[in-house]
Amino acid sequence: TQLLEQSPQFLSIQEGENLTVYCNSSSVFSSLQWYRQEPGEGPVLLVTVVTGGEVKKLKRLTFQFGDARKDSSLHITAAQPGDTGLYLCAAPGGKLIFGQGTELSVKP
Amino acid sequence: GAGVSQSPSNKVTEKGKDVELRCDPISGHTALYWYRQSLGQGLEFLIYFQGNSAPDKSGLPSDRFSAERTGGSVSTLTIQRTQQEDSAVYLCASSLFEGSYNSPLHFGNGTRLTVT
Repeated sequence: TQLLEQSPQFLSIQEGENLTVYCNSSSVFSSLQWYRQEPGEGPVLLVTVVTGGEVKKLKRLTFQFGDARKDSSLHITAAQPGDTGLYLCAAPGGKLIFGQGTELSVKP
Repeated sequence: GAGVSQSPSNKVTEKGKDVELRCDPISGHTALYWYRQSLGQGLEFLIYFQGNSAPDKSGLPSDRFSAERTGGSVSTLTIQRTQQEDSAVYLCASSLFEGSYNSPLHFGNGTRLTVT
């Protein structure tokens, strides 16, 4: 059973464009995490959101946790080629459950 | 180094052979996790350890897969009689505590396993 559904699965955009990645579930989570993975490396934690409705910003990245704590979004403003990678949402609690990821490619 | 170390980084093996993958977690981290990732896909949970015991082995795909952790530190993932569908990147991660939002996972760079 896939607990976390991410969309879109693939995204190819030009430098300077904005984008939003979604992470949805029918389950309620105490928190959600976002990781980014570059080729040949393991995922690296970007942020943890804990409170329903919470918004966190990390430079050009804005993360939001849904009011009902069932979903989250990641918005990137003015994407750069360095943002290219696989973005994964994850729900902690014992083991960490990951979504299938969004493969982002930002072309110069 | 200070990070999670996995070895080997690449492993090519013939179908039917056994392989051992090693993970050295960050010193002091009590929880250790194994995940599998197929090309361009998300992470599939395999097993996690709290200390030397494995509270959750539910993700191991078959009885050909086993893992152990000794001394609360190094872990090995063993795949017996490898099959082509075992080809993937095997990622190890460790965290200070088990499953807490304030105890994020730190991943190694993985072992890329290719079964020919």
